[in-house]
Amino acid sequence: QVQLQESGPGLVKPSETLSLSCAVSGGSISSFWWTWIRQAPGKGLEWIGYISNTATTTYNPSLKSRVIILVDTSKNQVSLRLGSMTAADTAVYYCARYYSRGFDYWGQGTLVTVSS
Amino acid sequence: QSALTQPASVSGSPGQSITISCTGTSSDVGGYNYVSWYQQHPGKAPKLMIYDVSKWPSGVSTRFSGSKSGNTASLTISGLQAEDEADYYCISYTTSYTWVFGGGTKLTVL
Repeated sequence: QVQLQESGPGLVKPSETLSLSCAVSGGSISSFWWTWIRQAPGKGLEWIGYISNTATTTYNPSLKSRVIILVDTSKNQVSLRLGSMTAADTAVYYCARYYSRGFDYWGQGTLVTVSS
Repeated sequence: QSALTQPASVSGSPGQSITISCTGTSSDVGGYNYVSWYQQHPGKAPKLMIYDVSKWPSGVSTRFSGSKSGNTASLTISGLQAEDEADYYCISYTTSYTWVFGGGTKLTVL
């Protein structure tokens, strides 16, 4: 059974860079694509981007200038970096596996608050 | 890219059927058969219910079904049950090789 676990700082200051990790267990990270999705409090889901099994990335155009998604196969982890954080980036951040044009396994999500 | 359009809320009684629509454009919903649907209970991660417009992931009840006509995809839940009360989101692949979500629909089981 594939399991995903996000981790990172719960609080980030404005203008700083957010770094999150997603630990994947129960399967090889290098065989699949991985995505990050976020959800602002009380709002809908927003697709951030994904990374393929060949490390090709595709990002939401609205976030493209600030986001990087990486895979560390030695640690079986996917990471997200989002720069120039503002209050509008306060959200629960989810990692998920992309497979067969669906996001089939999800982490439980991690809340990130942007505040000074 | 603009979010896909879903009704903010729908409701139905136990045993009834409801349909949630997801309207986009020819650049997303209408351009590909790559629409999926997610169920989200409060405080929980979303769960994949339908992919490729009408396919079921393993373990998902066939009471949930999907379809598409033109630029609008639909999720139908038949035999409504109390545990179906949740938020539902559609998402579509786009001609920009990205994905775009709908705004979400809150389903209330009366």
